[in-house]
Amino acid sequence: AQSVAQPEDQVNVAEGNPLTVKCTYSVSGNPYLFWYVQYPNRGLQFLLKYITGDNLVKGSYGFEAEFNKSQTSFHLKKPSALVSDSALYFCAVRVPSGSARQLTFGSGTQLTVLP
Amino acid sequence: DAGITQSPRHKVTETGTPVTLRCHQTENHRYMYWYRQDPGHGLRLIHYSYGVKDTDKGEVSDGYSVSRSKTEDFLLTLESATSSQTSVYFCAMGQLNTGELFFGEGSRLTVL
Repeated sequence: AQSVAQPEDQVNVAEGNPLTVKCTYSVSGNPYLFWYVQYPNRGLQFLLKYITGDNLVKGSYGFEAEFNKSQTSFHLKKPSALVSDSALYFCAVRVPSGSARQLTFGSGTQLTVLP
Repeated sequence: DAGITQSPRHKVTETGTPVTLRCHQTENHRYMYWYRQDPGHGLRLIHYSYGVKDTDKGEVSDGYSVSRSKTEDFLLTLESATSSQTSVYFCAMGQLNTGELFFGEGSRLTVL
């Protein structure tokens, strides 16, 4: 069975500082990995994905994520945080051969960027 | 969330009553999904559809049914609502091969 762990429920960072939101995964086979963001009272929005290729993936709003196969991690990063980045972030994983039901989400990390 | 809408956005109901949530998309996506979001659990898949009249169960399907009579509409029904079904429900559409989903803005259901 596949799973995703977001070890931090809450991450606080000062505006202008770099941010990292952690994600580790467990699957059988090569993973497809995703980050989504949810602003208050809104649905989730796709940020970026890793399918294959370069381990560093760039996405929307200046976010990037690094796929690390040996550590089974896919941490979300941004060099300089903005107050407007404050939101709930979800990591998700599936395997290429999996059915639609096999897109597994983490429990979410609340990011707060302090002015 | 452009191209996908949910109704109602908020609903309060009583235990034992039936409830139907509607998801409508204008993007002609083949795949549609219903998730529930609960604190500490992230999103969990209830049911999904891979075409008109083609549906399948997700991780937490007990107590829920779905129907898809048209490409654009995907209905989620709670036949007899229970307090454990108090949640925020999200509909999504998207490509299976990429896993990139587009979500509606959610329907907050409270079962008293």
